[in-house]
Amino acid sequence: DAGITQSPRHKVTETGTPVTLRCHQTENHRYMYWYRQDPGHGLRLIHYSYGVKDTDKGEVSDGYSVSRSKTEDFLLTLESATSSQTSVYFCAISEPASGYTDTQYFGPGTRLTVL
Amino acid sequence: SQQGEEDPQALSIQEGENATMNCSYKTSINNLQWYRQNSGRGLVHLILIRSNEREKHSGRLRVTLDTSKKSSSLLITASRAADTASYFCAAGDNNDMRFGAGTRLTVKP
Repeated sequence: DAGITQSPRHKVTETGTPVTLRCHQTENHRYMYWYRQDPGHGLRLIHYSYGVKDTDKGEVSDGYSVSRSKTEDFLLTLESATSSQTSVYFCAISEPASGYTDTQYFGPGTRLTVL
Repeated sequence: SQQGEEDPQALSIQEGENATMNCSYKTSINNLQWYRQNSGRGLVHLILIRSNEREKHSGRLRVTLDTSKKSSSLLITASRAADTASYFCAAGDNNDMRFGAGTRLTVKP
């Protein structure tokens, strides 16, 4: 999985609780991404980062925040989890020549269940 | 909305046969990529074709791109049981890359 780890790999939580997912890379890639994968929707981009402390919103960013204080770590936070955020979350990295629409390398995923 | 949309949603073939999956997209793109996902795993990049390319090969994979029809196809030749997976296309423009919902390929031994 291209030197990308995600933690935790599985989490069950209750509605209204905060949740933080971590993505760690050892490839020193500039770009990092958080996606969610739901049946019938493919992958949808939540947030991405193009450098330390540089982040931007994706297609489905409502209810999520991110932080990147080091090149190797990208955190995704659900401030108050809802059942609609039950999903599989994937982190990805890339070192694109331009923009961020270049080859991406994915982590193993985190399965989050919000009860 | 999805930029890339795969067709068919599911495909079942016998080992040794060829598998063809199609992808359509809506707007102009810089490149189109194909990824594979085995059950319970992350996506693995297979091949990237740029908007000025028409065909690209990688091992048993052949990808075509028709920008006039806004479509791409992925051909897997001489399929193997290990090719069983979901396949996703991702269409990228200057500022966005969006994945389709995928084609589920089953290769029967």
